[in-house]
Amino acid sequence: GENVEQHPSTLSVQEGDSAVIKCTYSDSASNYFPWYKQELGKRPQLIIDIRSNVGEKKDQRIAVTLNKTAKHFSLHITETQPEDSAVYFCAASSGGNQFYFGTGTSLTVIP
Amino acid sequence: DAGVIQSPRHEVTEMGQEVTLRCKPISGHDYLFWYRQTMMRGLELLIYFNNNVPIDDSGMPEDRFSAKMPNASFSTLKIQPSEPRDSAVYFCASSLINSYNEQFFGPGTRLTVL
Repeated sequence: GENVEQHPSTLSVQEGDSAVIKCTYSDSASNYFPWYKQELGKRPQLIIDIRSNVGEKKDQRIAVTLNKTAKHFSLHITETQPEDSAVYFCAASSGGNQFYFGTGTSLTVIP
Repeated sequence: DAGVIQSPRHEVTEMGQEVTLRCKPISGHDYLFWYRQTMMRGLELLIYFNNNVPIDDSGMPEDRFSAKMPNASFSTLKIQPSEPRDSAVYFCASSLINSYNEQFFGPGTRLTVL
């Protein structure tokens, strides 16, 4: 089955700086890569996703890049704000509706 | 739509007791997923259903865990007997039948087994 690894497990940045979270996957059949944000005590919620036919996708301050050859994808958050502090999960799916989640990255934005 | 609904939100029980967690998916969604979240293991998929039929239960840790989906609007996850290591947050999620569809998570049930 699919194996998704996520790094780093914790990340602290100063407000206004950029944050990058990286994930790798093992199954070359994976073709959908969502990112979820989980605020403390709340449910995970989708913030951005990318399909395998696209190399990059951007939505305001967040962007995701995908390198299918290397089997890795990354989340980029620019101009970080305190409300970006949360746990971020990457996931990979090969189209069967089943997501394989990474272990999460706890992001702290220091004011 | 109210989103995915889970109950109870918190459950405290003693070792050996039976625990039943409940989930109501978003109306019209074809897939339902049960996840367990712990600090050590992150988000683990336990089991998922398609049109009320269990598709993959390979994530169910052991026979003490069972899940049912008697109809399109209700699912249960049962632990019998419960053990302290079962303490975790259990999430239910649902999605439409499509490879690229978002999974919508419920608020979770925080289970503590003493």
